[in-house]
Amino acid sequence: QKEVEQDPGPLSVPEGAIVSLNCTYSNSAFQYFMWYRQYSRKGPELLMYTYSSGNKEDGRFTAQVDKSSKYISLFIRDSQPSDSATYLCAMRDDYKLSFGAGTTVTVRA
Amino acid sequence: GAGVSQSPSNKVTEKGKDVELRCDPISGHTALYWYRQSLGQGLEFLIYFQGNSAPDKSGLPSDRFSAERTGGSVSTLTIQRTQQEDSAVYLCASSLVGGNTEAFFGQGTRLTVV
Repeated sequence: QKEVEQDPGPLSVPEGAIVSLNCTYSNSAFQYFMWYRQYSRKGPELLMYTYSSGNKEDGRFTAQVDKSSKYISLFIRDSQPSDSATYLCAMRDDYKLSFGAGTTVTVRA
Repeated sequence: GAGVSQSPSNKVTEKGKDVELRCDPISGHTALYWYRQSLGQGLEFLIYFQGNSAPDKSGLPSDRFSAERTGGSVSTLTIQRTQQEDSAVYLCASSLVGGNTEAFFGQGTRLTVV
């Protein structure tokens, strides 16, 4: 079993829809949780960074962490075609980042 | 520059040749990571540098892979006697310190071994 599990999709939604992404993990030592967005042939771009359980909001993006369930989520409201990308969850306990496989999202105009 | 810079962007090499990939981290960032991303796969940890501490090399797949970081700044990842299975995108990231700070990635080097 992988340390971090993420459904690779693909996920296709119409413009304006809410995109819901999630990851589960097995290592209870993970303390820091991140979401990266990666466009085709580009490096991952940090979207959200959270430490504790709960919600964190940044514009159209909301990250949720539930440490008791070992489950994290990313919600994208009012999705745009420019949100079409691969979304990677990542987490760390000390310094090493462990990544999910990434979910490919397409927002249809 | 403002971000992590990697060079070259693309590299095509013949099987058996050696390659060097370069990473220039964000100024002031003491932690530096190398990851590998194969087609359709997640990011695979290769190596971690933190200041003057001994690097964590636990992710290097074989002794053909090595990395160094000179002066606590620029890092070079070297792959000797390249094989076709080495074809991947090699990503470098840096963070202010290793533990509880965000890690920022460069654009990656796309390596193709033919």
